[in-house]
Amino acid sequence: AQSVTQLGSHVSVSEGALVLLRCNYSSSVPPYLFWYVQYPNQGLQLLLKYTSAATLVKGINGFEAEFKKSETSFHLTKPSAHMSDAAEYFCAVSGNAGNMLTFGGGTRLMVKP
Amino acid sequence: DSGVTQTPKHLITATGQRVTLRCSPRSGDLSVYWYQQSLDQGLQFLIQYYNGEERAKGNILERFSAQQFPDLHSELNLSSLELGDSALYFCASSGTGAENTEAFFGQGTRLTVV
Repeated sequence: AQSVTQLGSHVSVSEGALVLLRCNYSSSVPPYLFWYVQYPNQGLQLLLKYTSAATLVKGINGFEAEFKKSETSFHLTKPSAHMSDAAEYFCAVSGNAGNMLTFGGGTRLMVKP
Repeated sequence: DSGVTQTPKHLITATGQRVTLRCSPRSGDLSVYWYQQSLDQGLQFLIQYYNGEERAKGNILERFSAQQFPDLHSELNLSSLELGDSALYFCASSGTGAENTEAFFGQGTRLTVV
């Protein structure tokens, strides 16, 4: 069984500041990990994924995440926030390619001018 | 555009009614997943089909059912609707093989039960 915990349901940063969204997972098998973003009234868009290759994963829009097995974490970062980054972000885990996703509760990112 | 198409975008219906949500996966994707997103439950996996066969089942109520047709499109049927069924229903699809690890999501169908 897998589970995902996202610390902080709301995160607020100033434009240009570092973005850090936290994700911890639990998995009985080597996990596949994902970050998705959801803009208002939209579907989920994949930001990046970890599939047991490089532990530092780069995604779209300047986001990256680092897989840390010892900490069971997969935190999402971006060096400099932009107003257009305001959205809800979901961390997800699956146990294998083609398996269903288990999502965290989501983190709403707000970016202040 | 993810390539996954869901219809309708919005649906308003009364309690006790039955509705059908439709999903067309990305071209060539054999797996289709249904998820429910609500304020109190978050994003929950409902059911997965692979090439016409049910592959995995999540927190899907007995009043709900799904199927995948030979052309790979899928339908989610929700019956005896209750107010609590109001939610955003997403369909996602994925390819096969170890390199096809991610799911691509449609825009969702927002169901409002009144």
